[in-house]
Amino acid sequence: AQTVTQSQPEMSVQEAETVTLSCTYDTSESDYYLFWYKQPPSRQMILVIRQEAYKQQNATENRFSVNFQKAAKSFSLKISDSQLGDAAMYFCAYSVTTSGTYKYIFGTGTRLKVLA
Amino acid sequence: DTGVSQDPRHKITKRGQNVTFRCDPISEHNRLYWYRQTLGQGPEFLTYFQNEAQLEKSRLLSDRFSAERPKGSFSTLEIQRTEQGDSAMYLCASSLDRAETQYFGPGTRLLVL
Repeated sequence: AQTVTQSQPEMSVQEAETVTLSCTYDTSESDYYLFWYKQPPSRQMILVIRQEAYKQQNATENRFSVNFQKAAKSFSLKISDSQLGDAAMYFCAYSVTTSGTYKYIFGTGTRLKVLA
Repeated sequence: DTGVSQDPRHKITKRGQNVTFRCDPISEHNRLYWYRQTLGQGPEFLTYFQNEAQLEKSRLLSDRFSAERPKGSFSTLEIQRTEQGDSAMYLCASSLDRAETQYFGPGTRLLVL
């Protein structure tokens, strides 16, 4: 069964510092997508970054980058130069369509606190 | 505003009542998804549509839940005979076909008393 595990319920980072959020997943598929979503308090979920499993190059979006280790089934998110507005719940998600069956699975989230 | 919208944003109801939520996706998106999110948890997939066709339903979607997407535009999620365990945030998202990236609405928070 496909699962997504975020082992850090909460993380803290000083403003301007770098933080890494962990995510591991379990799958037998070779072609899938991975995502990091951000959910600020009482606000809607927005996409931070996505990675196609067939791409070896790690995705980057400005201050956000991932470390995608396909063999290890690991997909961590690095936030550089952390800002107060980065404080939110971060969800790792996995998506695959196989034999007509669709799966989109979220982890339980990591709450990121940014300290001024 | 061309994002995903949901209505209502909040709903309080008594146990046993029926409730209906609406989701308006981004206009050019073919796929529409419903999720349930409880406090401290990630979203749990409920169902999704490709245009007007409901292609998959999670086992979380009991017989009391029904979703429709007439004409492949907006979607409704109805919960019949609500129970206290139905209290949650119901999220809608949409995406372009195989693009996989989902764009979420603000959610409807349901409280069943």
